[in-house]
Amino acid sequence: KQEVTQIPAALSVPEGENLVLNCSFTDSAIYNLQWFRQDPGKGLTSLLLIQSSQREQTSGRLNASLDKSSGRSTLYIAASQPGDSATYLCAPHPSGGYNKLIFGAGTRLAVHP
Amino acid sequence: DAMVIQNPRYQVTQFGKPVTLSCSQTLNHNVMYWYQQKSSQAPKLLFHYYDKDFNNEADTPDNFQSRRPNTSFCFLDIRSPGLGDAAMYLCATSGGESNSPLHFGNGTRLTVT
Repeated sequence: KQEVTQIPAALSVPEGENLVLNCSFTDSAIYNLQWFRQDPGKGLTSLLLIQSSQREQTSGRLNASLDKSSGRSTLYIAASQPGDSATYLCAPHPSGGYNKLIFGAGTRLAVHP
Repeated sequence: DAMVIQNPRYQVTQFGKPVTLSCSQTLNHNVMYWYQQKSSQAPKLLFHYYDKDFNNEADTPDNFQSRRPNTSFCFLDIRSPGLGDAAMYLCATSGGESNSPLHFGNGTRLTVT
């Protein structure tokens, strides 16, 4: 059974810092991995989908890497801004089974001006 | 241009009184999912539909049921809500292929009094 762990659980930083959020998963038999952002009281917004054939995916100030063999993904946020404050969740896409995502509990990020 | 729409955003029900949450999509996706997310926890998959094919997770209580009358709509029925069912309920859709990202609605926050 897939288990997903995100470290750190919470992070508070001043504006402008470059950040690293970590995600590890126990079952490496995955197709893809998706990173989401969740604002308080809201649903999930998809940030990046890394396909199994890719090692990295970039969108603006966000860069996500995937190492399936070691069961790890990392989300880098460059030049953090107060608007980046949210909870970030990762979810591996299992091989087979209609993308039934198993989520980590997330990293709660606060960026101070 | 909301693509996955959940109604209502906030729902209050009484202990034991049946309640229905709704989700609609404009993406014409084959797969629709219902997740339950309790405070500060990871979203937990309750069930999903591939077209009209219903797939229940093994640990989803019988108290939770779902209906999908057509491609666009999916409903979550809680037959006898308990205090422990208070949570955010998230609906998501996917094209169903292995490289398809999930798209989430804004969620319905359920309170049980």
